[in-house]
Amino acid sequence: AQSVTQLDSQVPVFEEAPVELRCNYSSSVSVYLFWYVQYPNQGLQLLLKYLSGSTLVESINGFEAEFNKSQTSFHLRKPSVHISDTAEYFCAVSLESGAGSYQLTFGKGTKLSVIP
Amino acid sequence: NAGVTQTPKFRVLKTGQSMTLLCAQDMNHEYMYWYRQDPGMGLRLIHYSVGEGTTAKGEVPDGYNVSRLKKQNFLLGLESAAPSQTSVYFCASFPGDASSYNEQFFGPGTRLTVL
Repeated sequence: AQSVTQLDSQVPVFEEAPVELRCNYSSSVSVYLFWYVQYPNQGLQLLLKYLSGSTLVESINGFEAEFNKSQTSFHLRKPSVHISDTAEYFCAVSLESGAGSYQLTFGKGTKLSVIP
Repeated sequence: NAGVTQTPKFRVLKTGQSMTLLCAQDMNHEYMYWYRQDPGMGLRLIHYSVGEGTTAKGEVPDGYNVSRLKKQNFLLGLESAAPSQTSVYFCASFPGDASSYNEQFFGPGTRLTVL
């Protein structure tokens, strides 16, 4: 079975500073990888996803994540954060195919707090 | 498109009471899911459905029942609520085809408190 580890439960960072939210996964087969964002008192929204091809994926609001197969990681980065990026971020994994491929396994989440 | 909607948004129950949470989606998705979110635990899958009339257990199914009588609706029931079921409940849906790459669409959540 696959699993996801988000190494930091909380990350405080000053506005306009860079940030990296770490995510490691374990799986014996090929996976799809996702980052979801949850703003306060809201549901989850897809931020970006890795399916195949280029290992660097980008979102429309300046976040990027890099898939590293050898290190089984999918870290999320942003070069300069804004107050509006304050949210909880969830890394998730699903199998590409086979039994259970329609299920997502989530990490425990990382709360990003941007300090003015 | 309203996407995925959940009713109610908030609810307070007493121990032993029952209730049903409703999830509705207007995207004609085959798959639907119920998760619970607890602080520091991430999202855990309670039950899911791969089509109308089907249901299956997820990671934490005890104390919950579900039904999918119509394709667009997925109901989560608590027959006898317990304080341990205090949580935020999220519904999600997924088209069910390979071209959708397993991306799930989430509702806004239901905050349930059991006293």
